[in-house]
Amino acid sequence: DTGVSQNPRHKITKRGQNVTFRCDPISEHNRLYWYRQTLGQGPEFLTYFQNEAQLEKSRLLSDRFSAERPKGSFSTLEIQRTEQGDSAMYLCASSLEGRVGDEQYFGPGTRLTVT
Amino acid sequence: GQQVMQIPQYQHVQEGEDFTTYCNSSTTLSNIQWYKQRPGGHPVFLIQLVKSGEVKKQKRLTFQFGEAKKNSSLHITATQTTDVGTYFCAGFSNRDDKIIFGKGTRLHILP
Repeated sequence: DTGVSQNPRHKITKRGQNVTFRCDPISEHNRLYWYRQTLGQGPEFLTYFQNEAQLEKSRLLSDRFSAERPKGSFSTLEIQRTEQGDSAMYLCASSLEGRVGDEQYFGPGTRLTVT
Repeated sequence: GQQVMQIPQYQHVQEGEDFTTYCNSSTTLSNIQWYKQRPGGHPVFLIQLVKSGEVKKQKRLTFQFGEAKKNSSLHITATQTTDVGTYFCAGFSNRDDKIIFGKGTRLHILP
């Protein structure tokens, strides 16, 4: 058990609907990352936070995607007007304070299926 | 932009044989990490390499970071069925301030 939790574990939604995922990192970790992983691929970096500040955002993250970490603890990832191409596993990871690149602890992921 | 390439994509080995996966970056890395993901699971951190030419060992696993800090390898000696999974390298560049994962090498062990 890595200590990072994600909810829900599975989400099935119809195209055009909005979805929101939640990540609860390990409590003392102040860095939180979001990744997307599709079958046969490695995790693709989406964004990361240092405490409540969003420091980096991938070009993969279109305007339909938004992430927040309002109090520097849990984080939410929202996808608006979902498309079938958004179907993937969304992974959250956290790490202790330090430079990006430190050991990350991954959660179990939220599997999104857009029909 | 920064790219991290990993080969081979798949590897089937007989139990007891050795296994190696290679990772190459298009840019110089500040550090590189290796993760293992079991089927249906999430990535689990194995190790981080920081220094040029660094070699680290974990039991049957040997990790190397190239002198130019652009490539790395993971070698498993005498594979066991518990080694099954996908091994990812993840490179971090100070310049880009993000981590780029390779596509992974899926290891399958033949009994």
